[in-house]
Amino acid sequence: NAGVTQTPKFRVLKTGQSMTLLCAQDMNHEYMYWYRQDPGMGLRLIHYSVGEGTTAKGEVPDGYNVSRLKKQNFLLGLESAAPSQTSVYFCASSYFSGNEQFFGPGTRLTVL
Amino acid sequence: GQQLNQSPQSMFIQEGEDVSMNCTSSSIFNTWLWYKQDPGEGPVLLIALYKAGELTSNGRLTAQFGITRKDSFLNISASIPSDVGIYFCAGGIISRSNDYKLSFGAGTTVTVRA
Repeated sequence: NAGVTQTPKFRVLKTGQSMTLLCAQDMNHEYMYWYRQDPGMGLRLIHYSVGEGTTAKGEVPDGYNVSRLKKQNFLLGLESAAPSQTSVYFCASSYFSGNEQFFGPGTRLTVL
Repeated sequence: GQQLNQSPQSMFIQEGEDVSMNCTSSSIFNTWLWYKQDPGEGPVLLIALYKAGELTSNGRLTAQFGITRKDSFLNISASIPSDVGIYFCAGGIISRSNDYKLSFGAGTTVTVRA
């Protein structure tokens, strides 16, 4: 099993550009999450999904959108990137709600 | 999210030493989790705690779920060089929408003392 994978690993955007981050898991987990990690801060929840076709806002959802069209995939979109969105983004999944989340390797995004 | 205070922010270890770190909160949690993150990688779960007062070990790691449900600590015994990294605590609570949410501490950075 590959676990949780994320694409791409690195990306540089210009302000105003858009992009989509892909997360895939092969553990048949119901729950999936998107976090951002900034220096000196813990992981902060952006959006999450409790199952295929569902999404919900987390702690810092502004400027991001998500979709969960397939159970194994969770997409994070930035419609108009801003420098404040420079961060490392982590996807996670869990079988039950919230506990024992398994994380992907992260996507390092820089917005110039 | 809930505010978690993790301390210390950083520490230096010497091989063979025992080290401790802890997390406290003004809110109660139903679960406590401890993760380790190596440079350039995602966090990896070390220990999960589900009951107040629970003491759980995973090799040289020991963690406890505080009786008040507002704190947890992690001990590493006989540290080795590969213990370096960032350790995160996370508290889990049921949200208003009946989902569990995790709140993370800011992390404890463990480095080797020169």
